[in-house]
Amino acid sequence: GENVEQHPSTLSVQEGDSAVIKCTYSDSASNYFPWYKQELGKRPQLIIDIRSNVGEKKDQRIAVTLNKTAKHFSLHITETQPEDSAVYFCAASIGNQFYFGTGTSLTVIP
Amino acid sequence: SAVISQKPSRDICQRGTSLTIQCQVDSQVTMMFWYRQQPGQSLTLIATANQGSEATYESGFVIDKFPISRPNLTFSTLTVSNMSPEDSSIYLCSVADRGLQPQHFGDGTRLSIL
Repeated sequence: GENVEQHPSTLSVQEGDSAVIKCTYSDSASNYFPWYKQELGKRPQLIIDIRSNVGEKKDQRIAVTLNKTAKHFSLHITETQPEDSAVYFCAASIGNQFYFGTGTSLTVIP
Repeated sequence: SAVISQKPSRDICQRGTSLTIQCQVDSQVTMMFWYRQQPGQSLTLIATANQGSEATYESGFVIDKFPISRPNLTFSTLTVSNMSPEDSSIYLCSVADRGLQPQHFGDGTRLSIL
């Protein structure tokens, strides 16, 4: 089955700096890549997603890039704010199955 | 997106008992899933709840331990049977319309077994 690796496991940045989280996947059949943000004690919430026919997608301060050849995709958060502090999960999807990464705990230091 | 209500939000149970978790959606959805998330860990898929037929379980999860029902397109239940402390976790339901679409999660059920 699909194997998704996510790095780093923890990330601390100064407010206003950028944060980058990277994921790799193993199955070239994966064709949909969502990113979720989970605040402490809350549900995972979709923040951005990208399909395999697109190389990059941006939504305000958040962007995702996809390199199908190398089988990796990344989340970029610019101008970070304290409210961006949370755990972020990437996922790769084959059909209806989602395979989640291990999560990145992001701390934005005011 | 759909509004997902999950009950109970938390419970403390005795070893050897069973608990049924409910997931109600305010609109019909094609896909419903059940996940387990242990503290500080990622999400692990338990099974896909199939409307009108038996759930599809992932490796390491069996129907006798985690029976699932899905009587219609808006409702599903997950039962955690014969609980042990190792079952202490957060259980989440999620829904999706079809492939290449995001899954949306309920608030989860925080389960502790004494």
